[in-house]
Amino acid sequence: DIQMTQSPSSLSASVGDRVAITCRASQTISSYLNWYQQKPGKAPKFLIYGASNLQSGVPSRFSGSGSGTDFTLTISSLQPEDFATYYCQQSYSTPYTFGQGTKLEIK
Amino acid sequence: QVQLVQSGAEVKRPGASVKVSCKTSGYTFTSYYLHWVRQAPGQGLEWMGVINPSGVNTNYAQKFQGRVTMTRDTLTSTVYLELSSLRSEDTAVYYCARQALLEWDYNAFDFWGQGTLVTVSS
Repeated sequence: DIQMTQSPSSLSASVGDRVAITCRASQTISSYLNWYQQKPGKAPKFLIYGASNLQSGVPSRFSGSGSGTDFTLTISSLQPEDFATYYCQQSYSTPYTFGQGTKLEIK
Repeated sequence: QVQLVQSGAEVKRPGASVKVSCKTSGYTFTSYYLHWVRQAPGQGLEWMGVINPSGVNTNYAQKFQGRVTMTRDTLTSTVYLELSSLRSEDTAVYYCARQALLEWDYNAFDFWGQGTLVTVSS
């Protein structure tokens, strides 16, 4: 199975900050990398697919980059509604594994 | 609008089985694969498998092989997850999720059910 490792596991930031979350795959996955946002008690929300493609309706302050084994989710200017847990997921091969999550908290 | 509505919470004894439903609406049921993902309390997301609603094809994570069965009912546009030989470690919220139709076969999950809490306890 492909292991996905996110860093950091948690992050404190303020509204307006620029933040980056990284995700590393245990083997190359080309650009088959997705990002999701999850708030407490809710289902995940689809943000980005193919490493850098923004899902329709997702604010442009979210962006993704990377290919191969190293990927980054960047939020350019944090808004209050962005404080949540973020997960990366590889869709290169089954089982479609997720990272352990990065909890983004208000400083 | 696309909706995935799951069945309610379940409490099961160790060794029992559970069957969770996911009723879909707002799109052509047979055109989109459906996945199941679970999340143990305070933990991350774990992919369990996928079903092709237009046929009988399924693909299960090795971890659950022999204990999991995914089925579908095209008349009601519903998919089902059955997990047997339950143990305490199976306590989790179980989500169904629709696989988006994306270029380059970028498989991602664009719509999710609300989740079903399954508690396994003696």
